[in-house]
Amino acid sequence: NAGVTQTPKFRILKIGQSMTLQCTQDMNHNYMYWYRQDPGMGLKLIYYSVGAGITDKGEVPNGYNVSRSTTEDFPLRLELAAPSQTSVYFCASSPAAGTSGRGRSNEQFFGPGTRLTVL
Amino acid sequence: AQSVTQLGSHVSVSEGALVLLRCNYSSSVPPYLFWYVQYPNQGLQLLLKYTTGATLVKGINGFEAEFKKSETSFHLTKPSAHMSDAAEYFCAVLTQGGSEKLVFGKGMKLTVNP
Repeated sequence: NAGVTQTPKFRILKIGQSMTLQCTQDMNHNYMYWYRQDPGMGLKLIYYSVGAGITDKGEVPNGYNVSRSTTEDFPLRLELAAPSQTSVYFCASSPAAGTSGRGRSNEQFFGPGTRLTVL
Repeated sequence: AQSVTQLGSHVSVSEGALVLLRCNYSSSVPPYLFWYVQYPNQGLQLLLKYTTGATLVKGINGFEAEFKKSETSFHLTKPSAHMSDAAEYFCAVLTQGGSEKLVFGKGMKLTVNP
């Protein structure tokens, strides 16, 4: 059980280039999330998904896109990289809400992160 | 809307001293609260969580936190700091609705001095 995996670990992009950050989880979790972490700012939610085929914007979605064609995978796409997208990106997953409506666990499981630099 | 406040960005303690990391939350409904730890160059790991029931919650590595509704607080403590506790700590609150989103505080970097 690998949990949440992310690739690549590091990447340097030039302004205007595009790339996809990969995220895969093997825990059969319905919910998946993408965050960015900037020094002193905590984690900001970029996009999230409550199940295959369903995605929605988080707090800072501009410049990013996502898709969720399977339960396991939740890739994050940067179309035109900008220096402001230099950050550490984390993917996370959590179980679906239980019959109580507030989730059996509510714990989010995080991947190891991707450090992206845009020059 | 829910929010979390962690005042300050850095705290330094001596090995063996008490660790106290403060977290205050804002929520119009009973909150679900979390503390996560991030070791250097790693992802976040759950330390402990409060959902319902006992207000004193025990987590991993000797940490605990107490939910105080009257003070809207969820401070993290550990009686005796160890060098291995050096990390960044994040408090978070679960948002309402079915998306199970977390709102994080800005984090607190803990340094432990020998």
